[in-house]
Amino acid sequence: GQQLNQSPQSMFIQEGEDVSMNCTSSSIFNTWLWYKQEPGEGPVLLIALYKAGELTSNGRLTAQFGITRKDSFLNISASIPSDVGIYFCAGQIGGSQGNLIFGKGTKLSVKP
Amino acid sequence: DTEVTQTPKHLVMGMTNKKSLKCEQHMGHRAMYWYKQKAKKPPELMFVYSYEKLSINESVPSRFSPECPNSSLLNLHLHALQPEDSALYLCASSQGVLASVGETQYFGPGTRLLVL
Repeated sequence: GQQLNQSPQSMFIQEGEDVSMNCTSSSIFNTWLWYKQEPGEGPVLLIALYKAGELTSNGRLTAQFGITRKDSFLNISASIPSDVGIYFCAGQIGGSQGNLIFGKGTKLSVKP
Repeated sequence: DTEVTQTPKHLVMGMTNKKSLKCEQHMGHRAMYWYKQKAKKPPELMFVYSYEKLSINESVPSRFSPECPNSSLLNLHLHALQPEDSALYLCASSQGVLASVGETQYFGPGTRLLVL
């Protein structure tokens, strides 16, 4: 079945640093979604990408839908302690009846 | 408003109990989903409802029984569960299931289930 390779698996950074994480796949996706999940809570949608090459920002977050439609990255600028959590990428293939393929997550830790 | 609500937030049940999880959304979404999530793992799809009809069942054991009473509500009935079924159960919704137009799924906060 389809798989998403998300990296890095975890990151330990200092407050104020920039963060970058990415997802790659051997399959072509129509949609890329980035979620953040905090302990005991559901995933919260951060950014949705619908077109190849699309670059979208949400505050300090920026994400891009790769030109090949097989990858996406998420950048966080000037990290703060509340950025802590697990970030998941999720891709959706056309005609898959809404089935999302999730990456394994990137656990972000921010040291004040 | 992109809110999906779930009740209860926490649930402890024995292996002989019958319980139900509830999910509600008022965004006019016509697709609703149940996911199971184990610790430190991504969500795993269980069921998809499209226009109140079950469209996907990802080979889930029959001890999990979904129900969609109307377009805003989604239930998950639990019976004779096993300890390994303990997990965070997430509900999500999206406008439709036409993936070609870029459907975005919004998740609820989840129900933390512990089976003893």
